[in-house]
Amino acid sequence: QKEVEQDPGPLSVPEGAIVSLNCTYSNSAFQYFMWYRQYSRKGPELLMYTYSSGNKEDGRFTAQVDKSSKYISLFIRDSQPSDSATYLCAFSNNAGNMLTFGGGTRLMVKP
Amino acid sequence: DAGVTQSPTHLIKTRGQQVTLRCSPKSGHDTVSWYQQALGQGPQFIFQYYEEEERQRGNFPDRFSGHQFPNYSSELNVNALLLGDSALYLCASSSQGRGGFGNEQYFGPGTRLTVT
Repeated sequence: QKEVEQDPGPLSVPEGAIVSLNCTYSNSAFQYFMWYRQYSRKGPELLMYTYSSGNKEDGRFTAQVDKSSKYISLFIRDSQPSDSATYLCAFSNNAGNMLTFGGGTRLMVKP
Repeated sequence: DAGVTQSPTHLIKTRGQQVTLRCSPKSGHDTVSWYQQALGQGPQFIFQYYEEEERQRGNFPDRFSGHQFPNYSSELNVNALLLGDSALYLCASSSQGRGGFGNEQYFGPGTRLTVT
């Protein structure tokens, strides 16, 4: 069983739609939860990071963590064509330690 | 404020050769981590450097080695290159020793290595 499972997509949605991206994990030691966005041929860009279960909102993005179910989500409201990218979930068991990534979900937002 | 920079952006090597990749961390950061990202996959952790020492290492062979300099910049060296080493090599920086949260790793644009 992989430590992190993430649907590779591609996920295609119309502009303005609400997007839901998800990851499941098996390592109970993970305490920090992150979402990165990666455009083609670029490095990953940190979007959100959370420590505890619950929701964290930043503009059009909301990160949700459910530690009891080992499940994290990223919601994107009012999606834009510029949101088209690969979204990577990432986990860490301690501050500053190595990140364990999912395989990424490719998102396409059509005008 | 300059972000994480990496050089070169792209290079092509032959099997068996050696390669050195370079990384300068974001201003104010003292920790550098290296990741390998194969096409269509998520990044895989190689190792992390702090205070010029290797702090953590992922599941990579000894052909992969690194170094951190007093100015916090870092190098990744790969010896005896294999075709399977073809990937995007990412450097990420963070702050450990200056009171920061430390877990926010910021990535550079990567170096795309092609081994033929």
